[in-house]
Amino acid sequence: GESVGLHLPTLSVQEGDNSIINCAYSNSASDYFIWYKQESGKGPQFIIDIRSNMDKRQGQRVTVLLNKTVKHLSLQIAATQPGDSAVYFCAENRKNGGFKTIFGAGTRLFVKA
Amino acid sequence: DTEVTQTPKHLVMGMTNKKSLKCEQHMGHRAMYWYKQKAKKPPELMFVYSYEKLSINESVPSRFSPECPNSSLLNLHLHALQPEDSALYLCASSQEGRDSNQPQHFGDGTRLSIL
Repeated sequence: GESVGLHLPTLSVQEGDNSIINCAYSNSASDYFIWYKQESGKGPQFIIDIRSNMDKRQGQRVTVLLNKTVKHLSLQIAATQPGDSAVYFCAENRKNGGFKTIFGAGTRLFVKA
Repeated sequence: DTEVTQTPKHLVMGMTNKKSLKCEQHMGHRAMYWYKQKAKKPPELMFVYSYEKLSINESVPSRFSPECPNSSLLNLHLHALQPEDSALYLCASSQEGRDSNQPQHFGDGTRLSIL
């Protein structure tokens, strides 16, 4: 089976709270990780990425943490807004004659007003 | 609006039909991808083109035939599809160069239904 997966299929948070979405991977040779957001009826949208030589990267309201020791990736969303409601996928780039991207199972984030 | 444009947005076809899905990007990206996404599942990679050459085929059945006429266009030709091929087909592109670790830009997909 796929080695990139998520701990929770759904996450419900109150508007204004922080959200944390988790992801596990098993291929220690992977060196690039990406978070995508997919809204209903849309294609995945890039949020933030991180390379394996880093353990933290921050964007606007989002932070990605990478723990290579336990092969764990997380996405933190600060001050979650209703517009953040979507499915979030972690993805992993593996070297396979062209950098094949493997997506995790996805977590659906519900934001309660 | 997405920078990767896919047409048509919806397609219904019979199992004996031949149709094509089209994808276009004008970001100068030299890597282009086809994914298949079933409901409530993650995208699954089908094909990767790099500099207009097929570099990855994920053991996709021959009833799916990709084509990259130039650096901006990617087609997926469909023939004799099965009902289980009904899905959302996503096209994506990314920069290609010495560092192939680049995020992909996705279109909004073609929703395909096989009768």
